[in-house]
Amino acid sequence: DIQMTQSPSTLSASVGDRVTITCRASQSISTWLAWYQQKPGRAPKLLIYKASTLESGVPSRFSGSGSGTEFTLTISSLQPDDFATYYCQQYNSYPYTFGQGTKLEIK
Amino acid sequence: EVQLLESGGGLVQPGGSLRLSCAASGFTFSSYAMSWVRQAPGTGLEWVSAISDGGYSTYYADSVKGRFTISRDNSKNTLYLQMNSLRAEDTAVYYCAKRIVGASCFDYWGQGTLVTVSS
Repeated sequence: DIQMTQSPSTLSASVGDRVTITCRASQSISTWLAWYQQKPGRAPKLLIYKASTLESGVPSRFSGSGSGTEFTLTISSLQPDDFATYYCQQYNSYPYTFGQGTKLEIK
Repeated sequence: EVQLLESGGGLVQPGGSLRLSCAASGFTFSSYAMSWVRQAPGTGLEWVSAISDGGYSTYYADSVKGRFTISRDNSKNTLYLQMNSLRAEDTAVYYCAKRIVGASCFDYWGQGTLVTVSS
C-alpha cells in the first residue's frame, strides 16, 4: 500500500499569512493526488485534484504543486474560513490512502 | 443539486452486521464510480471500498476485505455497504462519496452516518 505522510501535523498561523502543507508518498504517484479541507462535524470538501487543478468554486488563494512523491498545498493569504484540517489523498492505485491530516489553527 | 444521503448507521454488538445505504440524487448515478470512506472518532480519513459505475468491479481496504461488501442498485440510485463481523475498530462515521469525472477523488460527499460497535 502507498503511505501518505503530511507535515506538519499542526500549523499555527494568522489571518493574512502564507502557509504551505507538505504531503509525501511512499512511492511515485505521478500527479494522482487530491487535497481536501474538513471542518469539525462536516464532510471533507475537495480543493485540488491532479496535484494542481483547482476544483470549481474553490478560491484562487489555494494552490497545489508537485509530482512523483512530494506535493504541497499552499494558501497564499489565510482567511478566517480557512482554519480547518487538510488531508491529501493518493488515487494512483488501490487501496486509496489519505495522509494523517494537518490541523491549521489560529495563532 | 447533487445530494448523497446515508442511512443505516447505529449501535451494533461486536460480531454483528449492519447495512448502510446512500441515496443519490442530482446526477446520473449510473455513470459514476462510488466509494465509502470512514472516519473513526477524532482521527483521519480512511478509504473503505469502491465500486465501478456498472457495479461489476469492486475494491476494498485490507482492513475490511472479506467482511464488508459494496454494491449498488442503479435503478434505485442507491449505494450500499453490507458490514459483517463488525469489530470495535470499525466504529466510525461512514461517508459515501462520488468520484469526480476523470479522477478517482471525490467531489461530493454525504453527511455521514455513525456506526458504533460496542457491547
